[in-house]
Amino acid sequence: SAVISQKPSRDICQRGTSLTIQCQVDSQVTMMFWYRQQPGQSLTLIATANQGSEATYESGFVIDKFPISRPNLTFSTLTVSNMSPEDSSIYLCSVETRGNTEAFFGQGTRLTVV
Amino acid sequence: ILNVEQSPQSLHVQEGDSTNFTCSFPSSNFYALHWYRWETAKSPEALFVMTLNGDEKKKGRISATLNTKEGYSYLYIKGSQPEDSATYLCAFTSGYSTLTFGKGTMLLVSP
Repeated sequence: SAVISQKPSRDICQRGTSLTIQCQVDSQVTMMFWYRQQPGQSLTLIATANQGSEATYESGFVIDKFPISRPNLTFSTLTVSNMSPEDSSIYLCSVETRGNTEAFFGQGTRLTVV
Repeated sequence: ILNVEQSPQSLHVQEGDSTNFTCSFPSSNFYALHWYRWETAKSPEALFVMTLNGDEKKKGRISATLNTKEGYSYLYIKGSQPEDSATYLCAFTSGYSTLTFGKGTMLLVSP
């Protein structure tokens, strides 16, 4: 199992600014994952963060908009850059073993862009 | 593109009612089906991970079934309680892929 501390839990930000979300895991993990849930939509994978290499982004997400850091095996950050109201979402970090075991999640960051 | 559909989108029941939700997913290249409960301001919490056709799993008043050939899973809650109020997510994975989530079913149980 894994316990993930995510912060901030919520924020209200002005458009055009950036917000960095942090996730700390209580154990070393190879991969961490960042998700977004826009209102009324599915939880959608933004990118996979591997320690020591660049993050792998899913279709529709780019590094300039969502830069990710993974400085060690227990920590990762996601930055939402140059925010617009469309970025208002819940952002979740996760560690998971792909497939047949459960995933573990942070508590989520509820972002509102005004 | 993998498509995971959940129904209903939301549900409002009275305490003591039993209820069920549906998750449909692609029936080809099936590897595992996950159910999570997500309470507001908390982390999503795993309920079940199911891998075999015909699987039935139970945790307290909550149970789930799996049909991989037709691509659906049911989640049942017997005797709903207010503390069951949450969003219930299902997620599908095929082989060595990441989880694809449905939009969830939001359950509200009134006392």
